[in-house]
Amino acid sequence: DGGITQSPKYLFRKEGQNVTLSCEQNLNHDAMYWYRQDPGQGLRLIYYSQIVNDFQKGDIAEGYSVSREKKESFPLTVTSAQKNPTAFYLCASVLSSRGTNEKLFFGSGTQLSVL
Amino acid sequence: SQKIEQNSEALNIQEGKTATLTCNYTNYSPAYLQWYRQDPGRGPVFLLLIRENEKEKRKERLKVTFDTTLKQSLFHITASQPADSATYLCALDLAGGGNKLTFGTGTQLKVEL
Repeated sequence: DGGITQSPKYLFRKEGQNVTLSCEQNLNHDAMYWYRQDPGQGLRLIYYSQIVNDFQKGDIAEGYSVSREKKESFPLTVTSAQKNPTAFYLCASVLSSRGTNEKLFFGSGTQLSVL
Repeated sequence: SQKIEQNSEALNIQEGKTATLTCNYTNYSPAYLQWYRQDPGRGPVFLLLIRENEKEKRKERLKVTFDTTLKQSLFHITASQPADSATYLCALDLAGGGNKLTFGTGTQLKVEL
C-alpha cells in the first residue's frame, strides 16, 4: 500500500541532545512537509521541500534542520537549540507543489517528549 | 496578520442531527480551502476541497460552502453518527501558491447517542 511512514511513534529527548524523526513516502510525491502540532495551536509549518536537494524554512524553522537527499525521504532533526521540542510532529506530502488544489497526505505522527 | 479561526470549543450534538462547523479567515483571498479530519494521535485525513469560484461542494453526507465575501467556510455533516466524532481542521494556502497550507486550530466534534 502507498503511503507515508513516520518513525518512531514516540521519542524521548534528553537535554542537549539532537534527535532525528524519520519520514518516508512511496507515493512518488514531489513535495514534502514537516508540521508541528501543539494543543490549541493547530499545525505550524517547520520546513518544506518541493524537490530533491532543495528545501525552505517554514514559519517556525529555528532549532530544526532537514535534508532531502532522496525523493522518498525527508528526515527532520530537532537540535538542542530547540528549547521547547515537546509536540506532535507530522510529516506530509503532496503530488506536486506547483499545483493549486492538491491535497496533503499525512503520516501518523511522532510524539516527541523531553526527559 | 493573516489568520484562520475555528471554534475552539467542542461541538456536542445528538446522533442523526446536522453538525455545522465554521472556518473564518482574514486578510487574504485564497484560491481554495480544504477540510481535514483528525483522530486522536493520528495525522489529518483530507475530506474536501472547494475553490473560490465554487459556492458549495458535496461528498456523501458532507457539504462545504465557501463565501469569499464573508471570508467564511461552513462544513456540514448530515445524519451525524458517533463515528464522525473527531477534530476537523480547515486549511488555506495563504501564501498564494505552492501548496504551503496554513491550518486552523480545529474544532472537536462529539456525536452522542
